[in-house]
Amino acid sequence: QVNLVESGGGVVQPGRSLRLSCSSFEITFRNHPMYWVRQAPGKGLEWVALISFDGRESFYSDSVKGRFTISRDNSKRTLSLEMNSLRREDTAVYHCARGKYEKVLAAPMDVWGRGTTVTVSS
Amino acid sequence: SYVLTQPPSVSVAPGQTARITCGGDNIGSKTVYWYQHMAGHVPVLVLFDDNVRPSGIAERISGSNSGNTATLTISGVEPWDEADYYCQVWDASRDRPVLGGGTNLAVL
Repeated sequence: QVNLVESGGGVVQPGRSLRLSCSSFEITFRNHPMYWVRQAPGKGLEWVALISFDGRESFYSDSVKGRFTISRDNSKRTLSLEMNSLRREDTAVYHCARGKYEKVLAAPMDVWGRGTTVTVSS
Repeated sequence: SYVLTQPPSVSVAPGQTARITCGGDNIGSKTVYWYQHMAGHVPVLVLFDDNVRPSGIAERISGSNSGNTATLTISGVEPWDEADYYCQVWDASRDRPVLGGGTNLAVL
């Protein structure tokens, strides 16, 4: 059963941009906060960005703030991550995940996608 | 910023009990979540609200949280418990989630 599917990953040169998408299937999307979490090669999970259920609030890790933008379209059940000024250290598998509680930011992530791979290399 | 500290690795023999710790300043005052991430698989939430198992998670998995340490306990460890385990809390002072560095559980 696949509920969240990421796409948009690929190989990109440093300084360039990339847009990731996450589509939701057969799960409640509209009322839940959504996350992007990444895992660099050989490293642990790292939270990247969070957006409130209505898209009005967004939060970013210090490592991506000012370069990445999270957004959502509840009518299309999709989550996006616009990544600009990419760096080699952004190379990772990027997972989208759903916050467990409706309309509550402080929540565990109860549904995860398999991830899409971003490689930043010249 | 709030920091969660986990041991890089824990090793146990099959059938034994594994305890994975997550250290943080007064973490006992926060709500802790735990994830299991098996190689090649999607991360799975195995505990929330310190010690509550989501549907489908084995009763062998339990949690505790007090003082400066939260602990994930897996009783009767099975070979398929081998995975990376991550703890997480919400940092209310900065409105963001905080993840621990992860612990690799090796089943000998």
